[in-house]
Amino acid sequence: GAVVSQHPSRVICKSGTSVKIECRSLDFQATTMFWYRQFPKQSLMLMATSNEGSKATYEQGVEKDKFLINHASLTLSTLTVTSAHPEDSSFYICSAALVGGGNQPQHFGDGTRLSIL
Amino acid sequence: AQTVTQSQPEMSVQEAETVTLSCTYDTSESDYYLFWYKQPPSRQMILVIRQEAYKQQNATENRFSVNFQKAAKSFSLKISDSQLGDAAMYFCAYRSASDSWGKLQFGAGTQVVVTP
Repeated sequence: GAVVSQHPSRVICKSGTSVKIECRSLDFQATTMFWYRQFPKQSLMLMATSNEGSKATYEQGVEKDKFLINHASLTLSTLTVTSAHPEDSSFYICSAALVGGGNQPQHFGDGTRLSIL
Repeated sequence: AQTVTQSQPEMSVQEAETVTLSCTYDTSESDYYLFWYKQPPSRQMILVIRQEAYKQQNATENRFSVNFQKAAKSFSLKISDSQLGDAAMYFCAYRSASDSWGKLQFGAGTQVVVTP
């Protein structure tokens, strides 16, 4: 149980394109989803916390107009990288936490490798 | 803010041997959760083991066990009988019990290399 599906797994696009990444909890409801960015051989860097039905909370230094997050339902959150540029190339991972939290771990999607040419 | 420190960038272990990964954290809280995640080359994040701070007993999951020292703020992971499939990046993570969103604070990671 507790499967998180992230799509697409790989995106290659031209500079200036906007890219949407979806994160779905398949068999559970997630009031909170998280979006991370990971550079090669580095740890996960939290970009934002997404709560269903409300605005996302962004970490310091993350441009909210560049990285648009929408959490329209208890099973879906989307990250849109607007007008992407080569410096936005990275590995993006989402995770979802079960309703109720507590000691429940975050469950992660398989990640999206974004390459901007 | 809490910080999580993994001081070993890389650890090498032979198959069937044991390796211990260190993790220390800084917090003023008494109630929290600790996790170890594994990230193989596929880059999928896989939960290995978790520990509640209020539990004195160390968590164990098959060949994986932790040594949780609350006073020392230490949370090491022991991998016994290492297998080639254990080769991965391992991240230690902290989660405050008072954080309603359940945000995780990750360490820098330790790369585990398993040699035949």
